[in-house]
Amino acid sequence: DAKTTQPPSMDCAEGRAANLPCNHSTISGNEYVYWYRQIHSQGPQYIIHGLKNNETNEMASLIITEDRKSSTLILPHATLRDTAVYYCIVRADSGGSNYKLTFGKGTLLTVNP
Amino acid sequence: DTEVTQTPKHLVMGMTNKKSLKCEQHMGHRAMYWYKQKAKKPPELMFVYSYEKLSINESVPSRFSPECPNSSLLNLHLHALQPEDSALYLCASSHQTDTQYFGPGTRLTVL
Repeated sequence: DAKTTQPPSMDCAEGRAANLPCNHSTISGNEYVYWYRQIHSQGPQYIIHGLKNNETNEMASLIITEDRKSSTLILPHATLRDTAVYYCIVRADSGGSNYKLTFGKGTLLTVNP
Repeated sequence: DTEVTQTPKHLVMGMTNKKSLKCEQHMGHRAMYWYKQKAKKPPELMFVYSYEKLSINESVPSRFSPECPNSSLLNLHLHALQPEDSALYLCASSHQTDTQYFGPGTRLTVL
């Protein structure tokens, strides 16, 4: 699976949009971009994933660049409860070896009052 | 419903004890996983079960023994652990290789 690069930490004011970047310059054509987050001492929570097109759900939006070498997770109105480590993971969705999720170090997002 | 449950929430054990961690899901997922997470580190895959058969073992020491008695249950049997095995143990499940959903974890302390 392709490696990802994320900033180690970011701050965001409560109520503002949080934009979390991820670089995945070696991504392959069949690899999806997944985002998970982990609130302190809890299990990782799935947020969103996409292949080429931008995606939106009730939690967030995912913007993937046209060359697919980077992406941005957008939390439109951050709250204090969004403080967590956010992981960007790229993974192919088919094939026996692709059960594996390889977590990087992630970005610690701190939402401030 | 995307709930994966894990018991116990916390476990303290001695190095000579035998204990088990349990994981359950009722989403009809046929792939189940164990991950280990040390403090301030990302989760690392330990085992994958697919259709109740062990599919991946990431070179985990034999003192960790997984078991999948049926499609809804996953156990991790622990024996002769070391203090460095203290960690958060996470269970996850997925529909084949699709999105994985994680449980809350079991916080294990080995004395």
